[in-house]
Amino acid sequence: GENVEQHPSTLSVQEGDSAVIKCTYSDSASNYFPWYKQELGKRPQLIIDIRSNVGEKKDQRIAVTLNKTAKHFSLHITETQPEDSAVYFCAASTGNQFYFGTGTSLTVIP
Amino acid sequence: DVKVTQSSRYLVKRTGEKVFLECVQDMDHENMFWYRQDPGLGLRLIYFSYDVKMKEKGDIPEGYSVSREKKERFSLILESASTNQTSMYLCASSFLLAGRETQYFGPGTRLLVL
Repeated sequence: GENVEQHPSTLSVQEGDSAVIKCTYSDSASNYFPWYKQELGKRPQLIIDIRSNVGEKKDQRIAVTLNKTAKHFSLHITETQPEDSAVYFCAASTGNQFYFGTGTSLTVIP
Repeated sequence: DVKVTQSSRYLVKRTGEKVFLECVQDMDHENMFWYRQDPGLGLRLIYFSYDVKMKEKGDIPEGYSVSREKKERFSLILESASTNQTSMYLCASSFLLAGRETQYFGPGTRLLVL
């Protein structure tokens, strides 16, 4: 089955700096890659996603890139703010089943 | 707005008890999922269902069973709770169609087994 690895497990950045979280996957059949943000005590919420026919997608301060050849995808957050502090999960899907990374705890220091 | 609800936010049970966790979604989603979330391990799939009365094992089904008698409701059952089942349990739902498969999560149930 699919194996998704996510790095780093923790990340601290100064407010205003950029944050990058990276994930790799193993199954070349995976074609959908969502990113979830989970604030403390709350449910995971989708923040951005990308499909395998697209290399990059941007939504305001958040962007995701996908390299199908290398089987990795990354989340980029620019101009970080304290409210970006949360745990971020990547996932890969070949259809209806999702495989999640182990999460990255992001702390934005004011 | 998609709404996924779970029957309890917090549960405390004793070893050996039978535990029912219920999940209800109101978006007519075909797919429903149960995950457990543990520190350092991320989200791990226990079971999922793509239709009423249909179920598929996920990565860690041992010690769990599920029931999907109605489309909107997906139950997770711990037949005999054990301390290693202390965890956060998250339910999710999604459409079956490619292009609409984004999962929407419930608020989670934090289960403590003593």
